[in-house]
Amino acid sequence: DQQVKQNSPSLSVQEGRISILNCDYTNSMFDYFLWYKKYPAEGPTFLISISSIKDKNEDGRFTVFLNKSAKHLSLHIVPSQPGDSAVYFCAASRGYSSASKIIFGSGTRLSIRP
Amino acid sequence: KAGVTQTPRYLIKTRGQQVTLSCSPISGHRSVSWYQQTPGQGLQFLFEYFSETQRNKGNFPGRFSGRQFSNSRSEMNVSTLELGDSALYLCASSLLAGGGNNEQFFGPGTRLTVL
Repeated sequence: DQQVKQNSPSLSVQEGRISILNCDYTNSMFDYFLWYKKYPAEGPTFLISISSIKDKNEDGRFTVFLNKSAKHLSLHIVPSQPGDSAVYFCAASRGYSSASKIIFGSGTRLSIRP
Repeated sequence: KAGVTQTPRYLIKTRGQQVTLSCSPISGHRSVSWYQQTPGQGLQFLFEYFSETQRNKGNFPGRFSGRQFSNSRSEMNVSTLELGDSALYLCASSLLAGGGNNEQFFGPGTRLTVL
């Protein structure tokens, strides 16, 4: 039973265009959502997050949108750059007190082509 | 400030053996969590330690165990290895507990291969 789903295992986007990574969740108790980026041979690094009280959070080229009614969030990268090629993990958390409350998706591999 | 370090980076074992993985958190961080990453499964939570106490354990068999030392370094042990234990094992440290917006910093992982 996957509570956090990233249905696209991979995505290829041309450099300079917009990359949109999607994530769906099933548990309405999640109140905090995160995106991590992972390069090969490195651990995931935190990218951007959003609280359930918001529907949008922006940080430079990265914007996360949250649609609570649809239980869906998305990460937009504009413009896409070669260094954005990585695996992106979506994660959702219930509460703030424990790592055990964070559920990760299976990841989407983003490739930026020249 | 040095990041999270994990040793060894790569490990090859055979079925039935046991293995111990080590994680050194960022200096000053008291919380350490362990995750298993397998293709198509994302990161699966294993354990969380805070000040030498296991606070939470994920849905893994008793063959998986861990501990945290007084200097916050943590070890994870897997006994009687099975082929399905082949995975990337990631350690993450955080200043406080790792939930919500308490940012976790991940190490590079230990790639375990069981033959």
